Amino acid sequence: KAGVTQTPRYLIKTRGQQVTLSCSPISGHRSVSWYQQTPGQGLQFLFEYFSETQRNKGNFPGRFSGRQFSNSRSEMNVSTLELGDSALYLCASSQTGTNEKLFFGSGTQLSVL
Amino acid sequence: DQQVKQNSPSLSVQEGRISILNCDYTNSMFDYFLWYKKYPAEGPTFLISISSIKDKNEDGRFTVFLNKSAKHLSLHIVPSQPGDSAVYFCAARLDWTSEKLVFGKGTKLTVNP
Repeated sequence: KAGVTQTPRYLIKTRGQQVTLSCSPISGHRSVSWYQQTPGQGLQFLFEYFSETQRNKGNFPGRFSGRQFSNSRSEMNVSTLELGDSALYLCASSQTGTNEKLFFGSGTQLSVL
Repeated sequence: DQQVKQNSPSLSVQEGRISILNCDYTNSMFDYFLWYKKYPAEGPTFLISISSIKDKNEDGRFTVFLNKSAKHLSLHIVPSQPGDSAVYFCAARLDWTSEKLVFGKGTKLTVNP
């Protein structure tokens, strides 16, 4: 069974641009959540989706948004990029949506110049 | 306000000895705790978990201990192997219906041959 797939693996953008990151969960998993990892803050919860509905959102500005499609694939979007948005963005999926075991992708490393 | 704290950024042990990674939390409403391991350029992988109603959970070489009165949990790895060298994250769950996990900042474990 294929794991969680995130694309692209690396991304370089400049301030003010917007970016879209993609996540394909493990087949059969209906829940997708997103985390931001930075050296200073560790992993921080961004948002989660279950059956195309956003169930929870972390403490991030409205520039961060996401969605989930009917096939459970998810995208997150960051508009008006700032230097501080440089981070590793991790997607995780689970079957039941109760996070007893999250499966993470390898992440998308975003650099904002 | 950091609700989950891993106060040791790094830990170095000899192969065959015990590794003890510590984690403290402040929110007594957390009901489930998890440990994840992360290698460079990969996403975190689930290691072991424990419910707040238990004080110990064991899985092979890995044991997690929970002391609710002290709001402290620890991960024991016995015996430690060089392949265990990675960053270990402690995480806690507040709501069983949500994928939101609160992570510590991680402890980098190095197991020397």
